[in-house]
Amino acid sequence: DQQVKQNSPSLSVQEGRISILNCDYTNSMFDYFLWYKKYPAEGPTFLISISSIKDKNEDGRFTVFLNKSAKHLSLHIVPSQPGDSAVYFCAAFYGQNFVFGPGTRLSVLP
Amino acid sequence: DAGVTQSPTHLIKTRGQQVTLRCSPKSGHDTVSWYQQALGQGPQFIFQYYEEEERQRGNFPDRFSGHQFPNYSSELNVNALLLGDSALYLCASSLARFYEQYFGPGTRLTVT
Repeated sequence: DQQVKQNSPSLSVQEGRISILNCDYTNSMFDYFLWYKKYPAEGPTFLISISSIKDKNEDGRFTVFLNKSAKHLSLHIVPSQPGDSAVYFCAAFYGQNFVFGPGTRLSVLP
Repeated sequence: DAGVTQSPTHLIKTRGQQVTLRCSPKSGHDTVSWYQQALGQGPQFIFQYYEEEERQRGNFPDRFSGHQFPNYSSELNVNALLLGDSALYLCASSLARFYEQYFGPGTRLTVT
């Protein structure tokens, strides 16, 4: 049973446009959510996080939105740059449980 | 400031053998977590070490064991290797706040 889902295995976006990566979760106990970016041959790098008491968190070009009633979060990247091309993992946390989604491969085309 | 380091980078083992992977946390971090990432999947939590004790464990068999040393570095041991153990093993460190983790580059284990 996948508690954290990323239903789009891949996404292609034109440079300068908005990238929207989606994540759904099933466990209402999750109280903290994170996005990680992973380049080949490197470990995941922390991008941005959001607590369950908020619905939006912004950091530069990255914004994460949380819809608790829908158990859905999304990562917006504006504007998208070729260097953003990577695999993006959504992760959820509560207590000592830390669950990653399967990832979405983002390709930003020049 | 050195980040999380892992050794070795790659490893090839035969089914039934035992393997030890090593991790040094980011400077100032005292908590180490281990993850297994199979191809095309997200990292799966194996266990976490804090104050030299296993603090939390994911859904992995007892063949997976670990250790944390007084300098906070950690080892992951896997006994009786199975073909299905082939994966990228990631180490992540943090300072108490479990969710703000910094990952190492991983060790690629291939079991033949």
